Amino acid sequence: EAGVAQSPRYKIIEKRQSVAFWCNPISGHATLYWYQQILGQGPKLLIQFQNNGVVDDSQLPKDRFSAERLKGVDSTLKIQPAKLEDSAVYLCASSLSPGAGQPQHFGDGTRLSIL
Amino acid sequence: AQSVTQLDSQVPVFEEAPVELRCNYSSSVSVYLFWYVQYPNQGLQLLLKYLSGSTLVKGINGFEAEFNKSQTSFHLRKPSVHISDTAEYFCAVSDRDNQGGKLIFGQGTELSVKP
Repeated sequence: EAGVAQSPRYKIIEKRQSVAFWCNPISGHATLYWYQQILGQGPKLLIQFQNNGVVDDSQLPKDRFSAERLKGVDSTLKIQPAKLEDSAVYLCASSLSPGAGQPQHFGDGTRLSIL
Repeated sequence: AQSVTQLDSQVPVFEEAPVELRCNYSSSVSVYLFWYVQYPNQGLQLLLKYLSGSTLVKGINGFEAEFNKSQTSFHLRKPSVHISDTAEYFCAVSDRDNQGGKLIFGQGTELSVKP
């Protein structure tokens, strides 16, 4: 089966600019996650969708980050305006269904550099 | 709330030697436990998981981990490592009762296998 697809792989922008990332989960996976991985740290959950509804966005900086999952398939994560501290790898993951024991399948991520 | 501590940030080891990557967790509730591997410029891949039953869990690529409830540990082991095992390894926990399956990751351990 095809894995989780993310684009772009790399993005360089200046602070205060905006940027968007795209994710296409594994076909049939109802649950989609966006994680932020800062260099030298483990991934941190930003937002979780179940179909097209938000399950958990408690750690999403809502003043600058937004995400949507229209039609319950693809998802986009946007940052506007970007800050230097947003430099990180943004990982998308999907699972067949929600639940603590369900394995999450990760994409290769988008590496964002803020100048 | 849960937290995960990976006790070693870097573990250098020679090829064919055994290795242990240590993970301790803190939680006031019952948890599921996971180990993920991340190769350079790639996303995370699930190595193994503990949900219930036998405390010794076998995963892919010859890795295994043992759940120790009294010591709140979930150490990862491999009896003989290969050069190709060089990667970043992440321990993660999930609250059993969390319907969303949110993962809390440790900081990661960089395994470097030398010839």
